[in-house]
Formats: sequence, structure tokens, C-alpha cells
Amino acid sequence: GEDVEQSLFLSVREGDSSVINCTYTDSSSTYLYWYKQEPGAGLQLLTYIFSNMDMKQDQRLTVLLNKKDKHLSLRIADTQTGDSAIYFCAENDSWGKLQFGAGTQVVVTP
Amino acid sequence: DSGVTQTPKHLITATGQRVTLRCSPRSGDLSVYWYQQSLDQGLQFLIQYYNGEERAKGNILERFSAQQFPDLHSELNLSSLELGDSALYFCASSPGPPGQGAYEQYFGPGTRLTVT
Repeated sequence: GEDVEQSLFLSVREGDSSVINCTYTDSSSTYLYWYKQEPGAGLQLLTYIFSNMDMKQDQRLTVLLNKKDKHLSLRIADTQTGDSAIYFCAENDSWGKLQFGAGTQVVVTP
Repeated sequence: DSGVTQTPKHLITATGQRVTLRCSPRSGDLSVYWYQQSLDQGLQFLIQYYNGEERAKGNILERFSAQQFPDLHSELNLSSLELGDSALYFCASSPGPPGQGAYEQYFGPGTRLTVT
């Protein structure tokens, strides 16, 4: 079946880069997504990447996709305290529904 | 603000009761998805509608049902509630039909359901 895995916790110092990793299993996924959830809030779509791309950059965010290894990463440059949140990786199926990972809690320390 | 609205924001009810959660998708979006977020199960897909028709079902209990109305808003009905149904329920919407496009889904703020 489908399964998306992420590490559960990441601590990073303010100003450093954060890298959040994710592995997925559904090779038929056409898009992969990163969502951010702040405490008490909904999920905010950060970025997504088409499965035939290797990289996508959007301001401080860089997504890398290794389709062979089914590995997705999100790099946040110059991490700020406002980046503290839970980050979810997700893959879609042919109907569009999303399969989410358990989320990576990112804590940014001064 | 994603443009997706959900009401109510919080709901506290007793076991055995029935509740209705409401979602209005972003203007122009035809697809609506419902997800449940709980501590033990994480984010789980429940059900999807496209332009009024059910398109996909996930881990949705038989006690739960949903529909999408002609004005495209959707309602999730939860009945015979149990303590384990306490969770955050999210609605998401996306523009196109399944099978086309990036399916980017925009989430509402969620309804926090507490069953006592």
C-alpha cells in the first residue's frame, strides 16, 4: 500500500538551513507536496513538484526529488523563528487524494 | 487565508450524538476533500466529491457520511459519536477534476471536534 515516511523532529538554529526528508512508495504519484501546519492552524500549501522534475526553487524553499529512490526533501534557507511548525510531505494518487506523512516538527532556536 | 471556510471552528458533544460539519470551497473549485487529523492516526483521507458526485472514499466509517450540494459547499455528517472520533476535521478544495492538473489542495482552518 501507500506509505509516506518522515523523520519526526528537527532542531535548527536561526539563520541556518533546514532540510526535511521524506520517502514515499507510490511510484504512480504525479505530484508531491509540502504542507506547513502551525499550532492550532490548518495546513498551508508551501510548494509542490511534478514527478518528472528533479528540483524546484521558490524563494527560500528548495524541493529536491529523487524519483529512483522515491526520496523528497525540502530545504529552507535562512531559517527563521516563524518557520517553527510541523511540515508534512504528501503524495497524490490517481484520484487526487493525498497520502500524508506523519509530519516533521521543526523547532528553530535562537 | 486559503479561501476555504469551515464551520464551526470548535464543537463539543456527547457520545452517541450526531453532528454536521460544513465546508465552503474556494471560489471556482469543484473538488472537495475531507480529512481527519488525530494524534494516533495522523492525517487520514475520508472522502472526495467532485461537482456534487462522490469520487473517492478512504478510511471513512459507516457512521460518517458526506455530500456536496449544487452550490458546491459540502457537509460531513458524523453520527453515533464515540470518544475516538475526537479529532480535527479538515476540508480541502482543488480546482479541477480528478486526473487533471496538480491537484493542489487548499485546506480550511478545520473543525475541532471533542466527544465527551
